Amino acid sequence: DSGVTQTPKHLITATGQRVTLRCSPRSGDLSVYWYQQSLDQGLQFLIQYYNGEERAKGNILERFSAQQFPDLHSELNLSSLELGDSALYFCASSGTPWAGDEDIQYFGAGTRLSVL
Amino acid sequence: QKEVEQDPGPLSVPEGAIVSLNCTYSNSAFQYFMWYRQYSRKGPELLMYTYSSGNKEDGRFTAQVDKSSKYISLFIRDSQPSDSATYLCAMSPNSGGSNYKLTFGKGTLLTVNP
Repeated sequence: DSGVTQTPKHLITATGQRVTLRCSPRSGDLSVYWYQQSLDQGLQFLIQYYNGEERAKGNILERFSAQQFPDLHSELNLSSLELGDSALYFCASSGTPWAGDEDIQYFGAGTRLSVL
Repeated sequence: QKEVEQDPGPLSVPEGAIVSLNCTYSNSAFQYFMWYRQYSRKGPELLMYTYSSGNKEDGRFTAQVDKSSKYISLFIRDSQPSDSATYLCAMSPNSGGSNYKLTFGKGTLLTVNP
């Protein structure tokens, strides 16, 4: 168990809908990362938050947004869903310099999104 | 050209075999190299982490980085059925903290047959 918790495990929804994926990082971790994994694209970085602030952005669509709350949990919002958004969405958190593991990203078990 | 190329396999070997997994990359700024293992329906877990060129050994696993050739490898000795998983290489130009995004290969599916 990585200590990173993602809910829900599965989501089935229809095109045009909006969903929210939730992530709780490991206790004490300040950074949260979101990744999308699909069969044809592999694991793609979407966005990073550090202590509530956006720090890095990847190929995240404008229909997608994320935030990190004061308690450090994060949410990924996906709107106007399309069939092509069906994928596994992973959250990861990384440690801190004072713990010596800031270079290690610990992944949650993922949320499987199916858009029908 | 993709930034990171990895043969998706599948790779099937008998128990006890030495397994060699490889990735090539095009971005010369990459300095931090990782190998993750992903079991079916699970999240990736970190196996090996190396900085710059050289070798690193951890039990049955050895990671090699050749920055001059932009080529990284993971060797698994005495492979076990429990090693059956997808292996993902990942790399980053920066260390942890700000702007620390990982670029992943697509993964190689490995099956170790008893």
